[in-house]
Amino acid sequence: EAGVAQSPRYKIIEKRQSVAFWCNPISGHATLYWYQQILGQGPKLLIQFQNNGVVDDSQLPKDRFSAERLKGVDSTLKIQPAKLEDSAVYLCASSLDSGSNTGELFFGEGSRLTVL
Amino acid sequence: GQQVMQIPQYQHVQEGEDFTTYCNSSTTLSNIQWYKQRPGGHPVFLIQLVKSGEVKKQKRLTFQFGEAKKNSSLHITATQTTDVGTYFCAVPNSNSGYALNFGKGTSLLVTP
Repeated sequence: EAGVAQSPRYKIIEKRQSVAFWCNPISGHATLYWYQQILGQGPKLLIQFQNNGVVDDSQLPKDRFSAERLKGVDSTLKIQPAKLEDSAVYLCASSLDSGSNTGELFFGEGSRLTVL
Repeated sequence: GQQVMQIPQYQHVQEGEDFTTYCNSSTTLSNIQWYKQRPGGHPVFLIQLVKSGEVKKQKRLTFQFGEAKKNSSLHITATQTTDVGTYFCAVPNSNSGYALNFGKGTSLLVTP
């Protein structure tokens, strides 16, 4: 079974530039998540999709971050303009279940962003 | 959303020693999950606990869920160098969507 695919693995940009990350979840997984993991910290949820609808984006900095999941399969996360504090690993995860019975999350390898 | 406190933040043990990490919540949890993240890697699911007082074992790992469902622990017996990594507990955010909120993790270093 193919896992969660993410690209690019690494990206270095200067502040105020834009960047986009792509994620393809495990086939059949309805729920997709984007997490931000700053070095030395636990993953922090940015946005949760169920199929192509947003379930929770309360922690997404909407002035600079946007995400979409067209057709309920793959997803993109965009940052524009980037700030130094956006340097982190952006983890995409998917799960088969949702709601109160959220099961195991399957994470991708992550996209490491460095903002100079 | 629901927050969890994990202690200790770091633990350095000699190979063969035991290790325990604790996860505490101020509110009752519906369930709790544990993940392991190797250095440079991504979080990998270990287990989910649902029932009050539940105890589950995976080889040298023992997971417990408190009777009040407000705390949990992960105990590793006789650590090995392959146990190195950061262990996270994660709880569903009942306020919205039940996405998992992760603790800050306990980083385990095992020296031979």
